[in-house]
Amino acid sequence: EVQLVESGGGLVQPGGSLRLSCAASGFTFSSYDMHWVRQATGKGLEWVSAIGTAGDTYYPGSVKGRFTISRENAKNSLYLQMNSLRAGDTAVYYCARVGSSGYQDYWGQGTLVTVSS
Amino acid sequence: DIQLTQSPSFLSASVGDRVTITCRASQGISSYLAWYQQKPGKAPKLLIYAASTLQSGVPSRFSGSGSGTEFTLTISSLQPEDFATYYCQQLNSYPITFGQGTRLEIK
Repeated sequence: EVQLVESGGGLVQPGGSLRLSCAASGFTFSSYDMHWVRQATGKGLEWVSAIGTAGDTYYPGSVKGRFTISRENAKNSLYLQMNSLRAGDTAVYYCARVGSSGYQDYWGQGTLVTVSS
Repeated sequence: DIQLTQSPSFLSASVGDRVTITCRASQGISSYLAWYQQKPGKAPKLLIYAASTLQSGVPSRFSGSGSGTEFTLTISSLQPEDFATYYCQQLNSYPITFGQGTRLEIK
């Protein structure tokens, strides 16, 4: 069974940093692209980053230069390093697998990041 | 960036109704469109990908159509478990973008 479990969320002050993790199981992690998607409370979905099997990375302008996605295939783990955090980064962060269809077919349960003083 | 606009943003319907949600892209995205269902407190669930392909395990009452800039998600006969928020998503080009969502509620 495919499972994605996020961790690392919490309360951080504006300007601070946080590292999210996503532990993957039930599939060959190294063979799949992975994404992070976030959702502020009561708001819609916002794509945050993507990493390919070759380590190629992609970001929207809203986080580019502040967030870094990475993966450690030996540990079946995906990471999101978030620096220079702002109040607007407050959200539930989901990791998601990109299936053979090319679309995000499995999602974790999410981890809440709150940026506040 | 490609903007996706869903309509309506809110929809009230009854069990057994046929409903259609539209997603319009600000530029052509071929068929690189997905539909997700999200229930409160839960992660999104992939329903349709490549505009019209039903994800494995998704009931056949869900269907998708369209290409280019206009897409639709249709639920042929609403079931109680279908009341949720629906999002379209484009994967034609980075940055990946989502529509603002359509909240489907019970009338």
